[in-house]
Amino acid sequence: TQLLEQSPQFLSIQEGENLTVYCNSSSVFSSLQWYRQEPGEGPVLLVTVVTGGEVKKLKRLTFQFGDARKDSSLHITAAQPGDTGLYLCAPPAGGSYIPTFGRGTSLIVHP
Amino acid sequence: KAGVTQTPRYLIKTRGQQVTLSCSPISGHRSVSWYQQTPGQGLQFLFEYFSETQRNKGNFPGRFSGRQFSNSRSEMNVSTLELGDSALYLCASSTSGSSTDTQYFGPGTRLTVL
Repeated sequence: TQLLEQSPQFLSIQEGENLTVYCNSSSVFSSLQWYRQEPGEGPVLLVTVVTGGEVKKLKRLTFQFGDARKDSSLHITAAQPGDTGLYLCAPPAGGSYIPTFGRGTSLIVHP
Repeated sequence: KAGVTQTPRYLIKTRGQQVTLSCSPISGHRSVSWYQQTPGQGLQFLFEYFSETQRNKGNFPGRFSGRQFSNSRSEMNVSTLELGDSALYLCASSTSGSSTDTQYFGPGTRLTVL
């Protein structure tokens, strides 16, 4: 089992602030995915990062995959209340691999 | 395209009872996976079905079982419920269950065991 540690566990910020959340492991991944889960809903895939050192931008969200492909970060610029949710990281599920998710970072953005 | 639907959305049971949860995948998707989500353990994989066959299984006791029908709809069953089974049960579907597929999650069934 590949363990993923996400930090911080909880984050409560005001609208307009910037933030970064982290996903770390001792294992090397071929790729990593980030999901956002809003209250009362299932997780929704945001992005898949594939190449070590890769940076992907999705509007105000910037995802980075570590050079060694063991860690990833998500940076949100000028957070909005609509960014509120649980952010989860995981390697893509598939084949005989047992899907493993990090515990997530619970983000609340106050207006 | 309709998303993944799960029924019921909420369920209250007592210890010792059994429960069946249902998942209808996105049309055309043949892989269905089930997950248990709790505050303490996070999102944990239960099992995956593809073409009516269980293809992968997580580390859960035999009280947790599932099946998939020819139309790809899936059910999971939990027998002899325990308090610790209280959780959000999520199902996710994808085209073939390949690591290059995108998993689409349903809204979940919130199970409370009293």
